[in-house]
Order: sequence, then structure tokens, then C-alpha cells
Amino acid sequence: EPEVTQTPSHQVTQMGQEVILRCVPISNHLYFYWYRQILGQKVEFLVSFYNNEISEKSEIFDDQFSVERPDGSNFTLKIRSTKLEDSAMYFCASSEGGRQETQYFGPGTRLLVL
Amino acid sequence: GENVEQHPSTLSVQEGDSAVIKCTYSDSASNYFPWYKQELGKGPQLIIDIRSNVGEKKDQRIAVTLNKTAKHFSLHITETQPEDSAVYFCAASSPLSNDYKLSFGAGTTVTVRA
Repeated sequence: EPEVTQTPSHQVTQMGQEVILRCVPISNHLYFYWYRQILGQKVEFLVSFYNNEISEKSEIFDDQFSVERPDGSNFTLKIRSTKLEDSAMYFCASSEGGRQETQYFGPGTRLLVL
Repeated sequence: GENVEQHPSTLSVQEGDSAVIKCTYSDSASNYFPWYKQELGKGPQLIIDIRSNVGEKKDQRIAVTLNKTAKHFSLHITETQPEDSAVYFCAASSPLSNDYKLSFGAGTTVTVRA
């Protein structure tokens, strides 16, 4: 069964450093998402991406965040200058269609900012 | 925006008993309600979803009910088994323009005692 994959599974970085989290969505899916889950809190939406552009973003997704689909298979989340409060589990998801289609989640990347 | 509340936060049941998790939502326009199961070290996996044109949906031991008037929906697991132990998340999605995101509840940690 096709699945969303994410790398790395864990990432430790120093405050102020840039990190890139990588995702490979399910191959025939057209919509891609990033969510994050701070320890003990809700899963929160960050951004959705379709047709090579952002379709929606939350207030969390400020100028230090960016997303890119550099090739036909990868979908990346870049955090330019990490802060302590960026420590969280980051989930990538993809869906075949857009609104209210089933979103399939990857296993997540646990990011720890020291 | 949408706010989803989920109860209880933890639930312990004897194997073979039923488990019920309840969620309420705030946006009356929301019309898609998925439930995800998250096992340790894995991303959320969709187990069942319901759209607002139906009041109940069942898949083997899992059922979901929706009350649009009261803006709440519930997950029912019957004949629980140890492998049902996990964190369960409810979510809601609105059909408003450019709104692709899922708004999640805080999660319920279900423990099935053998």
C-alpha cells in the first residue's frame, strides 16, 4: 500500500540554524500539507500546497517557514532560523484531491532545537 | 476558525468492552469529520470518516455518529482488543473557500486492559 515517507525521523539542531524536513507524498496525490504537534498539544495545520504554490497557510507559518516541491517526488519544509519553540513533531500529509479528501500522514520528523 | 474539543483525554477499558470518544466543533459550516489513530512512533492513520450528509457510518467494530444540530460527533469502538490501544484524534474540515486544513482535537489515549 502506498504511503507518505519522511526524512529524517529525528533532527537535532542549534537555535538559529536552518533545517530542511523532507517528505515524499503518495505518487498520484496532488495536494500536500505540513502539520506540527508540539509535545502535549494538538496537531496544528501549517500549510497546504497545490500546483506548485501555497493554497493556504496558518498564522504559525511566518516568514521563517517555506515549502518547496523541488522535483516530481519530494516536498520540503524549510525553517530558516530555528527557535526553541519550533521543537515539535512535524507531519507531512498528502491527498489525491483537495477539500475534504482523505489526507494520508507520514510518520513524522521529530525536531529538537537546542 | 474551527475549534474542535475532544473528550476524554484518557480512556481505559477492559478488553471486550466498548470505548466511546466524543468531539464537538464550533464551525457550523464544517462538513467532513475524519478520525485518526496514532500508534507509538507512527503518524496518524485514518480509521474512519463521515460527511455531514449522513448521521452514522460503520466499519466492522468501528462506528462514527454525527449530530449536526448539536455540532458533535463520536467514535465508537466495540469489542475492544489490545491492538486498539493508541491515541485517537478527531478532526473537522470546513468547505469554505481556500480552506483545506484539518482542525484536530487534542487526542484521546485509549488503553485496552487484557
